[in-house]
Amino acid sequence: SQTIHQWPATLVQPVGSPLSLECTVEGTSNPNLYWYRQAAGRGLQLLFYSVGIGQISSEVPQNLSASRPQDRQFILSSKKLLLSDSGFYLCAWSIQGTDTQYFGPGTRLTVL
Amino acid sequence: RKEVEQDPGPFNVPEGATVAFNCTYSNSASQSFFWYRQDCRKEPKLLMSVYSSGNEDGRFTAQLNRASQYISLLIRDSKLSDSATYLCVVNTRTGGFKTIFGAGTRLFVKA
Repeated sequence: SQTIHQWPATLVQPVGSPLSLECTVEGTSNPNLYWYRQAAGRGLQLLFYSVGIGQISSEVPQNLSASRPQDRQFILSSKKLLLSDSGFYLCAWSIQGTDTQYFGPGTRLTVL
Repeated sequence: RKEVEQDPGPFNVPEGATVAFNCTYSNSASQSFFWYRQDCRKEPKLLMSVYSSGNEDGRFTAQLNRASQYISLLIRDSKLSDSATYLCVVNTRTGGFKTIFGAGTRLFVKA
């Protein structure tokens, strides 16, 4: 069966520090991968999605970036965090060519 | 107008009640639709896909109305464990992939 992992589970970072969040999927090949952010009390906002290694689409302009160095690995990064980057970051995957998304456990980021 | 709008909630219902959520979408080219449930401080979990022909899974029934551009979720015989936030999702592939989550409707089921 397929599983999706995210780490760390929680993170507290100072403003201006870098960020790296990792997501890996097991039990499937060539998945679509997604990064979302959910601000407190708000809906999910799609940040990036990827249909293959090195193929990243950005949905909103921001100081975040994403990379997909391996088929089942998706990384969310920032060079300098802002206070507004605080939130619940969720990674998801879907079978290539389908829209049903399955979410990882998320990383709760607090920027102070 | 938001691309996907849900009932604002919260819904407070007694155990055993039937509750219905609606979600409207603005893009008539949207192609796939889902309901997720999200517990507090947890990730969303897939509840069910939504089809024009209707989709039933136990106490849950989802329906898509393309003409009116809305999807619905009906929960019968509510349980305490149904308390959660329910999110609708609308996906579009025409002109590039787009997935939009509704803001969610909070449900409280009380004994």
